[in-house]
Amino acid sequence: GQNIDQPTEMTATEGAIVQINCTYQTSGFNGLFWYQQHAGEAPTFLSYNVLDGLEEKGRFSSFLSRSKGYSYLLLKELQMKDSASYLCAVRDRSNDYKLSFGAGTTVTVRA
Amino acid sequence: DTGVSQDPRHKITKRGQNVTFRCDPISEHNRLYWYRQTLGQGPEFLTYFQNEAQLEKSRLLSDRFSAERPKGSFSTLEIQRTEQGDSAMYLCASSFYSGQETQYFGPGTRLLVL
Repeated sequence: GQNIDQPTEMTATEGAIVQINCTYQTSGFNGLFWYQQHAGEAPTFLSYNVLDGLEEKGRFSSFLSRSKGYSYLLLKELQMKDSASYLCAVRDRSNDYKLSFGAGTTVTVRA
Repeated sequence: DTGVSQDPRHKITKRGQNVTFRCDPISEHNRLYWYRQTLGQGPEFLTYFQNEAQLEKSRLLSDRFSAERPKGSFSTLEIQRTEQGDSAMYLCASSFYSGQETQYFGPGTRLLVL
């Protein structure tokens, strides 16, 4: 299986930047996804990385280093509505391309 | 633009009863996944379909759970003889199987077994 580790909780101030790290171990890496999940709601897709480097989408950026088994999600100019859980998920060729999810990082944005 | 829908959104049942959930995927998607999520955890894979074929069922899934996707469109997940440990959010996701396959989730069915 896959070991996917991410911090349990992070707190930041409105307007600040927060970086959520994710480390993983997998035998057939085939992509890493970040999802946002507000309390009681379904996960919504944020970003996808399959090659090393940074992918930027507005206030959100995601970085991948395959050799280190490491990714981060960067949230800039934090807004109150960014308070949510952020899930890191890895797709694995040896697992028939299914996704395995981390437990999620709960980000709390304070005024 | 129609996303993934699930019905019901909430279900309260008594231990021992059977429950059935429905998922309607995005229309052109050929893969459909069922997950279970408990508080403070990420979604846990249960089973998935490619068109109408059920390709895999998690080892964690007991025989009380069964899923179908009879015409390769909507899917149902049935839990027989529910137990309190079945209380969770049941999420459905769909995707179009290709190089970059992104799964899109429905709103989920929250099950409470009393």
